[in-house]
Amino acid sequence: SQELEQSPQSLIVQEGKNLTINCTSSKTLYGLYWYKQKYGEGLIFLMMLQKGGEEKSHEKITAKLDEKKQQSSLHITASQPSHAGIYLCGAETGANNLFFGTGTRLTVIP
Amino acid sequence: NAGVTQTPKFQVLKTGQSMTLQCAQDMNHNSMYWYRQDPGMGLRLIYYSASEGTTDKGEVPNGYNVSRLNKREFSLRLESAAPSQTSVYFCASSLGGWGNTIYFGEGSWLTVV
Repeated sequence: SQELEQSPQSLIVQEGKNLTINCTSSKTLYGLYWYKQKYGEGLIFLMMLQKGGEEKSHEKITAKLDEKKQQSSLHITASQPSHAGIYLCGAETGANNLFFGTGTRLTVIP
Repeated sequence: NAGVTQTPKFQVLKTGQSMTLQCAQDMNHNSMYWYRQDPGMGLRLIYYSASEGTTDKGEVPNGYNVSRLNKREFSLRLESAAPSQTSVYFCASSLGGWGNTIYFGEGSWLTVV
């Protein structure tokens, strides 16, 4: 069965600092999704990666998928309090399913 | 910008009671899903409907039933609620198939006492 491990489980950073969240799969990833969740709210889609070596950016957030398609990273540059929340990676395990990691809780201290 | 709408947002049930969580999407999506989220467990798929008229079990279907009422609506029913079903429930939808983004509702907080 698919396993997705996210690290770290929680992260506290000072505003303005850069940070990286990792997502490692036990199997080859055919589609890797990143979502952000704020407490009490739903999941907001950030980015989706499919090809080995692919990299996508949106504002100050960059996601990469390694060449072997078993690891993805999410990098935030110059973090802001608005970046705080839980970041979840999800892997496609079938045409109609996403299997999720347990999440990384990010706190940004002003 | 409705997207995926689920109701109710909060509910407290007594053990043994039944209830239905409602979900509707306005994006003309083919596929709809119900997930539950528990601390330390991440999101787990309960049931999904790949298209109108079909439903399939996900990872944790026991204790739940679903109905794909039409293309827009997908409901989740707890026939006899148990404390183990205390969780946050998320409905989601997508065009279906590989590589299509799954969009989530805002969640329903259910407590079973």
